[in-house]
Amino acid sequence: SQQGEEDPQALSIQEGENATMNCSYKTSINNLQWYRQNSGRGLVHLILIRSNEREKHSGRLRVTLDTSKKSSSLLITASRAADTASYFCATGVSAYKYIFGTGTRLKVLA
Amino acid sequence: DAGITQSPRHKVTETGTPVTLRCHQTENHRYMYWYRQDPGHGLRLIHYSYGVKDTDKGEVSDGYSVSRSKTEDFLLTLESATSSQTSVYFCAISERVRLAGAPNTGELFFGEGSRLTVL
Repeated sequence: SQQGEEDPQALSIQEGENATMNCSYKTSINNLQWYRQNSGRGLVHLILIRSNEREKHSGRLRVTLDTSKKSSSLLITASRAADTASYFCATGVSAYKYIFGTGTRLKVLA
Repeated sequence: DAGITQSPRHKVTETGTPVTLRCHQTENHRYMYWYRQDPGHGLRLIHYSYGVKDTDKGEVSDGYSVSRSKTEDFLLTLESATSSQTSVYFCAISERVRLAGAPNTGELFFGEGSRLTVL
């Protein structure tokens, strides 16, 4: 079964609104990363949060990590139509092994 | 963009035939990965490599083998393709980043994918 499970599976919002997606995982991790995938393309790294960090920001992105609940959330503020994509969390379960979740499909309506 | 090239980008083959996908990198990164992406399953790790001739299995390794004879190339082979192996295959690379006090890992860089159809 998947290490990471994103929730919701799909999300549709209006431009300007905030988008929140969640990731739950099962085993202990070294770090957790979020990736974005545009249709038909490879994944692109967005942000990494280490297991000893609780929150991290990068531009319009905010990531939180709760290791006691084995969960993370990605918040995209003031969303734009160009943010339409699938978003995946990836857990670093060892120094070089990553397991991906099933993804959240985000659609931002202009 | 990270220098990662996957070939072929598209392939249609028949059940029972062998298939090899190639991932080539120009970044000299130590770690290389093969994932498959299927609807409803996200990305699943097939095999990964942590150095030349050093490989290990991922979540869904049955029916796949890999080889890495050079830092820059990581080959994924389907010895006898089956319809269940129809998928989009992604290669990724990473370089470990060690920070003071704790090991850490860097981000993954992905290729553009190889779409394989097994009839």
